[in-house]
Amino acid sequence: QLQLQESGPGLVKPSETLSLTCNVSGGSISSSSYYWGWIRQPPGKGLEWIGSVYYGGTTFYNPSLKSRITISVDTSKNQFSLRLSSVTATDTAVYYCARPLTSVAYDAFDIWGQGTMVTVSS
Amino acid sequence: AIQLTQSPSSLSASVGDRVTITCRASQGISSALAWYQQKPGRPPKLLIYDASSLQSGVSSRFSGSGSGTEFTLTITSLQPEDLATYYCQQFYSLPHFGGGTRVELK
Repeated sequence: QLQLQESGPGLVKPSETLSLTCNVSGGSISSSSYYWGWIRQPPGKGLEWIGSVYYGGTTFYNPSLKSRITISVDTSKNQFSLRLSSVTATDTAVYYCARPLTSVAYDAFDIWGQGTMVTVSS
Repeated sequence: AIQLTQSPSSLSASVGDRVTITCRASQGISSALAWYQQKPGRPPKLLIYDASSLQSGVSSRFSGSGSGTEFTLTITSLQPEDLATYYCQQFYSLPHFGGGTRVELK
């Protein structure tokens, strides 16, 4: 059974770069043609799609975050990663990684990690 | 960007009630819409995809309908375990979520 697990620092200083990794277990990230995604949720607020990455490296990003985001995939480690630069308090959120239902570029997400809380504060 | 507007933002209902949540898209998205249920401290759970297809393992109390710009999620006979926040998401273009609807017990 495929499982996703986010990991990374829970506290990041303003203006620094947030870095998170999503470890995929129970299946190979490179044997299936999915666009693996990152979604975040500020405390008490709704969901915001951040971006997605194909196992071959193709990415697409939320236009509102595009200038600060890098999403990459490491097939040798069976994981994909998010980097968000120049963070501010508004980037404080629970960050989820997720897998879409099918291998099309845009789809619903049916498998989610448990989420990791990241706080931006000095 | 395609915007999604959910209504109401919150509602109170009794056990056994029929509950309907609406999601309106700012432009036509065919049937590229999903519904999620989220409980506190938990990731979202996919309920409905392609506007009306029930995700495997999800109770048949949940149903979705609509196409184009107007969609509904219906919960027939609300149960205590259905108390949660519900989100719609479009995947016609770059993914985007609605603002959510909180379902509470009356």
